[in-house]
Amino acid sequence: DAKTTQPTSMDCAEGRAANLPCNHSTISGNEYVYWYRQIHSQGPQYIIHGLKNNETNEMASLIITEDRKSSTLILPHATLRDTAVYYCIVRVKNAGNMLTFGGGTRLMVKP
Amino acid sequence: GAVVSQHPSWVICKSGTSVKIECRSLDFQATTMFWYRQFPKQSLMLMATSNEGSKATYEQGVEKDKFLINHASLTLSTLTVTSAHPEDSSFYICSASGLAGGPTDEQFFGPGTRLTVL
Repeated sequence: DAKTTQPTSMDCAEGRAANLPCNHSTISGNEYVYWYRQIHSQGPQYIIHGLKNNETNEMASLIITEDRKSSTLILPHATLRDTAVYYCIVRVKNAGNMLTFGGGTRLMVKP
Repeated sequence: GAVVSQHPSWVICKSGTSVKIECRSLDFQATTMFWYRQFPKQSLMLMATSNEGSKATYEQGVEKDKFLINHASLTLSTLTVTSAHPEDSSFYICSASGLAGGPTDEQFFGPGTRLTVL
């Protein structure tokens, strides 16, 4: 699986959009971009995934650049409960494939 | 849907004892389960992958005789930490995925089990 690079930490004001970047310049054509988050002392929570088109669900939006070498996760209106470590992972979409977690971005949402 | 539970949520044990952690998929059949370990301020590290009815595949550096994994049914996997020592103290997290191409073929994570070995 391709490696990803994320900033170590970010701050965001409550109610504003949080934009979390991820670089995955060595991504292969069949690899998807996944985002998970982990709130302190809990298991990771799936947020969203995509291949090349932008995706949106009730939690977030995922913007993938045309060359697929980077992506941005957008939380449109961050709340204090969105404070967590956000992991960007690229992998082939297959039930048997493990997830390789990097360091992630520690997002702190401040009042 | 796609809920994964773990039991216990936390456990404290004496050095040298064995501890069993259960991971259950509550509303789907998990053909594959994964066990991760997370030390404080670090990321999740995969320990092993198990498919129902077959032996687990362990990651390099993980002792299979110390971390016994059983995936006897499509809804239950267990991790037994044998002869636990203080360095085994960690946050253990399982995840499960279902049939490929189905609604549960992504990984769904349990809430984690915090093990403290005294």
